[in-house]
Amino acid sequence: EVQLLESGGGLVQPGGSLRLSCAASGFTFSSYAMSWVRQAPGKGLEWVSTISGSGGNTYYADSVKGRFTISRDSSKNTLFLQMNSLRAEDTAVYYCASSILLMVYAPGYWGQGTLVTVSS
Amino acid sequence: QTVVTQEPSVSVSPGETVTLTCGLSSGSVSTSYYPNWYQQTPGQAPRTLIYSTNIRSSGVPDRFSGSILGNKAALTITGAQADDESDYYCVLYMGSGIWVFGGGTKLTVL
Repeated sequence: EVQLLESGGGLVQPGGSLRLSCAASGFTFSSYAMSWVRQAPGKGLEWVSTISGSGGNTYYADSVKGRFTISRDSSKNTLFLQMNSLRAEDTAVYYCASSILLMVYAPGYWGQGTLVTVSS
Repeated sequence: QTVVTQEPSVSVSPGETVTLTCGLSSGSVSTSYYPNWYQQTPGQAPRTLIYSTNIRSSGVPDRFSGSILGNKAALTITGAQADDESDYYCVLYMGSGIWVFGGGTKLTVL
């Protein structure tokens, strides 16, 4: 059974930084793309970033490009999202997700999410 | 920038069939967009129903089906049940590693 457990959320001031983690189990972590998807309070889902299984390819939404960095550590089966220069509009629940297919990187299996609040 | 469009809200009577759609502000959706469909109830994480247009995710009842209808991706619920009342989101692949979610459809079963 695929299990994804996010951590690292919390309250941070505008302009600050935060690092989210997602511990994965139940599948061959290094084979599948991983993504971060966020949901602002009362709003819809927003794709944030994806990293390929090898970690060699990364992709970002325009809204976070240059501020967020996605990475993965296959020795620890863990996905990361380094968030810098945080803004109020980054306030959201952040979900990590693995792809279901090897070659199609859409979010497939989801974690329960971690809340990030950017406020002074 | 291309926007992914969904009906903001849809109502269905129990036992009836309902189709939710996922389109583009410009152009037609095809299987090359790898449409996925997700169900989300308040306070819960999304759950994948359909991936790559029409493949049902493990454990999803067969009353949920995906297809391309005309120029849109479609999610059809055949025989809607009360616990199908949820928010439904589609996501489309825009190329260059970019995915875009639709704004979501709030389905009411009454």
